[in-house]
Amino acid sequence: AQSVTQLDSHVSVSEGTPVLLRCNYSSSYSPSLFWYVQHPNKGLQLLLKYTSAATLVKGINGFEAEFKKSETSFHLTKPSAHMSDAAEYFCVVSDRLSGNTPLVFGKGTRLSVIA
Amino acid sequence: DAEITQSPRHKITETGRQVTLACHQTWNHNNMFWYRQDLGHGLRLIHYSYGVQDTNKGEVSDGYSVSRSNTEDLPLTLESAASSQTSVYFCASSAGSSGTRNEQFFGPGTRLTVL
Repeated sequence: AQSVTQLDSHVSVSEGTPVLLRCNYSSSYSPSLFWYVQHPNKGLQLLLKYTSAATLVKGINGFEAEFKKSETSFHLTKPSAHMSDAAEYFCVVSDRLSGNTPLVFGKGTRLSVIA
Repeated sequence: DAEITQSPRHKITETGRQVTLACHQTWNHNNMFWYRQDLGHGLRLIHYSYGVQDTNKGEVSDGYSVSRSNTEDLPLTLESAASSQTSVYFCASSAGSSGTRNEQFFGPGTRLTVL
């Protein structure tokens, strides 16, 4: 069985400071890992994905995440927060070797950016 | 451009009524999914389909049904709407098979209110 734990339900940072959103996963298989972002009243957009290539994954809008198998973590980071980064972020896991496994979502982390 | 659309975007209905939410994708994806999003729960899987005539129950399938008669559409039916089904509903699709084709593309969502 697969599961995802997002360690913070809400993170607040000042504009221009680093962002860290934490995610731990559990998977019986070789995982694919994703981060999705949802802006208010919008659908979900893929930020980045890990599918077994480089363990440091770069995504859109300056975000990146590092896959650490020993720690079963896939934390999302950004060096400098922008006001437009304020949104809900979801960490997601699936079975990499079988595309026909539904995604399992974390409960989300709401990122607030203070001017 | 390929896309995934949902209709209606907003719906208000009464307890006990049958409601159908439409989802249409032009990606030619094999896999389609329905989720509901509620505060504190993230996204929870309702039903999913891996191809025409295939349907599967997700985590929260009670009170919902789907049918897949073609590749493009996966309508979600609430047989007898209940207030507990007030939520935002998201449809998604993916190409399937392995690796990067796990990525799901999301529709804009349908906000359903059951009075």
